Amino acid sequence: NAGVTQTPKFQVLKTGQSMTLQCAQDMNHEYMSWYRQDPGMGLRLIHYSVGAGITDQGEVPNGYNVSRSTTEDFPLRLLSAAPSQTSVYFCASSDRASGRYEQYFGPGTRLTVT
Amino acid sequence: GENVEQHPSTLSVQEGDSAVIKCTYSDSASNYFPWYKQELGKRPQLIIDIRSNVGEKKDQRIAVTLNKTAKHFSLHITETQPEDSAVYFCAASTSDAGNMLTFGGGTRLMVKP
Repeated sequence: NAGVTQTPKFQVLKTGQSMTLQCAQDMNHEYMSWYRQDPGMGLRLIHYSVGAGITDQGEVPNGYNVSRSTTEDFPLRLLSAAPSQTSVYFCASSDRASGRYEQYFGPGTRLTVT
Repeated sequence: GENVEQHPSTLSVQEGDSAVIKCTYSDSASNYFPWYKQELGKRPQLIIDIRSNVGEKKDQRIAVTLNKTAKHFSLHITETQPEDSAVYFCAASTSDAGNMLTFGGGTRLMVKP
């Protein structure tokens, strides 16, 4: 299994541009989440999904949209990038059915907005 | 919402000594408390976790204790080694599957040879 994969690894955007961060998992996990990590800080939850077609907001959802059309994919969209969205973005998945709570994190996408 | 405080923000120990990192949480409904190790430029890696129905859990040199009444939990690393140097994060979750984590601010642990 590849686990949780994220693309791209690095991205530079200009203010006002839009883009989609991709996240995919091949473990058939029901739960997927997006976090952002600012320098010297812990991760903060942006959006999460408990299954295909179901998404909800986390702690810092403003400026981001998500959708979950399949179990495998959970893309994060920035509609109009702002410098405050400069951060490292991590996608995570977990398997509710197994009874284990472990979150499997992707390698991250480092985004810079100028 | 949940708030997780973590102390200290930096911790320097001599190789072989013990290290203790403490976290407090605000939401009494939290039921899952993982600890992550993050090396520079890498993803967080789960090192140990505990659920609210357990007071203590140990895995070789690492242990976690939970005090639900006081709403705090701690990470204990014994016989520290230079490769233990990293940033450690505590987190808490109220969900039924451990997602929707609220993280502490992190502790930079430095183990001096």
